[in-house]
Amino acid sequence: EAAVTQSPRNKVTVTGGNVTLSCRQTNSHNYMYWYRQDTGHGLRLIHYSYGAGNLQIGDVPDGYKATRTTQEDFFLLLELASPSQTSLYFCASSDAGTANSDYTFGSGTRLLVI
Amino acid sequence: GDSVTQTEGQVALSEEDFLTIHCNYSASGYPALFWYVQYPGEGPQFLFRASRDKEKGSSRGFEATYDKGTTSFHLRKASVQESDSAVYYCALGPDTNAYKVIFGKGTHLHVLP
Repeated sequence: EAAVTQSPRNKVTVTGGNVTLSCRQTNSHNYMYWYRQDTGHGLRLIHYSYGAGNLQIGDVPDGYKATRTTQEDFFLLLELASPSQTSLYFCASSDAGTANSDYTFGSGTRLLVI
Repeated sequence: GDSVTQTEGQVALSEEDFLTIHCNYSASGYPALFWYVQYPGEGPQFLFRASRDKEKGSSRGFEATYDKGTTSFHLRKASVQESDSAVYYCALGPDTNAYKVIFGKGTHLHVLP
């Protein structure tokens, strides 16, 4: 079954700390996405990619880097974490990025920056 | 720019009530429209889509009809169950930037037994 797996499930870090969130998809999808979910804001797109080595900037990219190492793996990097980045992060994938493509989401990573 | 508006932030119903969650969009061209559902502790799941005017999408008893005239895609269910309690997201798939779906802010549905 097609899947998107995120790790870790939960993470606590200190302000200024370095955090990497991982995402792997077994869907053979070209497109992968990182979102953050916050009360009152819904899902906001951070970065996305349409293939290995590609990176596109989303709507709320400040303070985040991302890297797509393979078709399967997409990482989100917080190099100097701040409390404002405390959030629930979701990774998603989609096929070919056409207008009719639906997204498959992972189960999320809950990040707390103290 | 393109946008999706969900009017209700929260909806509380009793079992067997009729559900309507309103979704209106603003976009140029002819976008695909989606509904996603997110159960507690999980990521959003694709519910269904519609791609052209007057097309009805449906799944699990939920349905919505693409209405280009009123730029709407309202989610409806005739009789909700407690297990339908979740967050529902309306989304827009723009035809000019096909890999970037735009999500509404979500509607939290609480169904009381």
